[in-house]
Amino acid sequence: DGGITQSPKYLFRKEGQNVTLSCEQNLNHDAMYWYRQDPGQGLRLIYYSQIVNDFQKGDIAEGYSVSREKKESFPLTVTSAQKNPTAFYLCASTPTWGQNTEAFFGQGTRLTVV
Amino acid sequence: AQSVTQLGSHVSVSEGALVLLRCNYSSSVPPYLFWYVQYPNQGLQLLLKYTTGATLVKGINGFEAEFKKSETSFHLTKPSAHMSDAAEYFCAVSGGSNYKLTFGKGTLLTVNP
Repeated sequence: DGGITQSPKYLFRKEGQNVTLSCEQNLNHDAMYWYRQDPGQGLRLIYYSQIVNDFQKGDIAEGYSVSREKKESFPLTVTSAQKNPTAFYLCASTPTWGQNTEAFFGQGTRLTVV
Repeated sequence: AQSVTQLGSHVSVSEGALVLLRCNYSSSVPPYLFWYVQYPNQGLQLLLKYTTGATLVKGINGFEAEFKKSETSFHLTKPSAHMSDAAEYFCAVSGGSNYKLTFGKGTLLTVNP
């Protein structure tokens, strides 16, 4: 079955550490996105990638980094510069950039700072 | 800039009662509108979408929504709530050259037996 796989489902980080969240899709989608979800805040866009080897900052990119070396993969690194990283992180994809289509979502990664 | 306002962060209904979740949007171009559902600790699943054409849109699980341009609204309804409808619901908008989805803050639906 086609879909988006995020791993791990739960992740614990010590303060001062960088951690990387994995996102892989086998939908052959061009565009991929990372969202952060906090209670009562909805989804906020961290980074997005229109096509492989290209990405742009979203609304809350500070303290995060991404790469898009392969079409199917869009990992997110939460760096020590992110002061409040505890949240639920969602990866999504759309078939192409340039169309107002719905996004397909992974199951999320819950990151907790300990 | 586009934005979404979901009225009511928490809605509680009895099983079998009407479900009404409100969504108002702001967009300078004809909008594309979406409703998503999220069950605890899971990703988002598309319920329905409005792009062009018929303003009454039917989705999965018996939900529907009506696009009202004059009211800039896209409210989600279901005639009879089921216990399995308990979840968080998000309204989202995109439009024009802004292909990114902008989400509302969500409405948590509780269904009481």
